[in-house]
Amino acid sequence: TQLLEQSPQFLSIQEGENLTVYCNSSSVFSSLQWYRQEPGEGPVLLVTVVTGGEVKKLKRLTFQFGDARKDSSLHITAAQPGDTGLYLCAAYENTGFQKLVFGTGTRLLVSP
Amino acid sequence: EPEVTQTPSHQVTQMGQEVILRCVPISNHLYFYWYRQILGQKVEFLVSFYNNEISEKSEIFDDQFSVERPDGSNFTLKIRSTKLEDSAMYFCASSKISSEREAFFGQGTRLTVV
Repeated sequence: TQLLEQSPQFLSIQEGENLTVYCNSSSVFSSLQWYRQEPGEGPVLLVTVVTGGEVKKLKRLTFQFGDARKDSSLHITAAQPGDTGLYLCAAYENTGFQKLVFGTGTRLLVSP
Repeated sequence: EPEVTQTPSHQVTQMGQEVILRCVPISNHLYFYWYRQILGQKVEFLVSFYNNEISEKSEIFDDQFSVERPDGSNFTLKIRSTKLEDSAMYFCASSKISSEREAFFGQGTRLTVV
């Protein structure tokens, strides 16, 4: 089973600060997905990155896929309390899109 | 916007009882999944289902678990004899055939085994 390690595990910041969350693996992925999960709810898909070096923006969120397609980052600019949640990266194991595995998660708390 | 729906949202059951968790995947999706998340832990893969058969399952998905697509819209997860350690959030997901194979998740069923 491929392991997706996320860092940091926990992040507590003030509103308006910037932050970056990392997702790393020793494996190469054909694509990687980022989700956000709030307590008691299901993961909500934010973005999928496919091409090595790809950068995608979703309002104040910037997602980057590493050149070698082994890692990814999520950068949030001017964080808001509404950004609070668990951020998860996920990728399919190489065996062909049958098993989406999740990272260890980064729990973000943005205080007003 | 199409979404994956799960019922019930919360199920309390006695140890040893059978439970069936239900899911309605997004209508044009062909791949279906069940995941579970024990409180405070990772989202763990249980099983994937395509073309009316299991395509992959994890070591968690033992003989006590089964999945079924009884009709054209529902996708169910059955736990035959629940154990205390089966208490978790169970998420259903679906995806369509695409290069990215984006998976969309339901809101989950909180299963509490007492």
